[in-house]
Amino acid sequence: QLQLQESGPGLVKPSETLSLTCTVSGGSISSNSYYWGWIRQAPGKGLEWTGSIFYTGSAYYNPSLKSRVTISIDTSKNQISLKLTSVTAADTAVYYCARGVRHPGYHFYMDVWGKGTTVTVSS
Amino acid sequence: EIVLTQSPGTLSLSPGERVTLSCRASQSVTNNYLAWYQQKPGQAPRLLIYGASNRATGIPDRFSGSGSGADFTLTINRLEPEDFAVYYCQQYGTSLTFGQGTKLEIK
Repeated sequence: QLQLQESGPGLVKPSETLSLTCTVSGGSISSNSYYWGWIRQAPGKGLEWTGSIFYTGSAYYNPSLKSRVTISIDTSKNQISLKLTSVTAADTAVYYCARGVRHPGYHFYMDVWGKGTTVTVSS
Repeated sequence: EIVLTQSPGTLSLSPGERVTLSCRASQSVTNNYLAWYQQKPGQAPRLLIYGASNRATGIPDRFSGSGSGADFTLTINRLEPEDFAVYYCQQYGTSLTFGQGTKLEIK
């Protein structure tokens, strides 16, 4: 059974870089059928896609966050990582890792989600 | 960016009733690439529907999706107590965006 587990610091200071890791178990991240990505949810708010990556390393980002986001993949460890620079209180959220089922081209919906990890931006 | 508008914001219904949730896109969604998710408090979202009308694995047949172009609906027949949650639509035809959600609460 595929499982995704997010990990990383729960508290980040303003202007610093948020770094999270998602470890995938029960399946290989090196598949041409899936994207792997991050979705966040601010307290009491809706869902916001951050970005996703293919096993080849091709990454796609939410245009509103693109200048601050980097997603990388380590197929040897079955992990993806998220880095978000220059964070502010507005980046406080639950960050979910999710698998995206790929359609031809750059199209995917998320079928498996991690439980999420809470990140608070505060001094 | 395609903006998805869900309506209503909140619905109060009783178990056993039928409900239809709406998701309207600011422009046509490519290939009807529209998904629906259910989220309960403190939990990750769960995929219900993809491709506008295809039920995900393990989803009961009381959930159904329909629509095309820019107008989509999620219908739940005979509401069960466990169906009271927040529902999000998501388009994946042009980048990826979510609606703001509809909260389904027990009357």
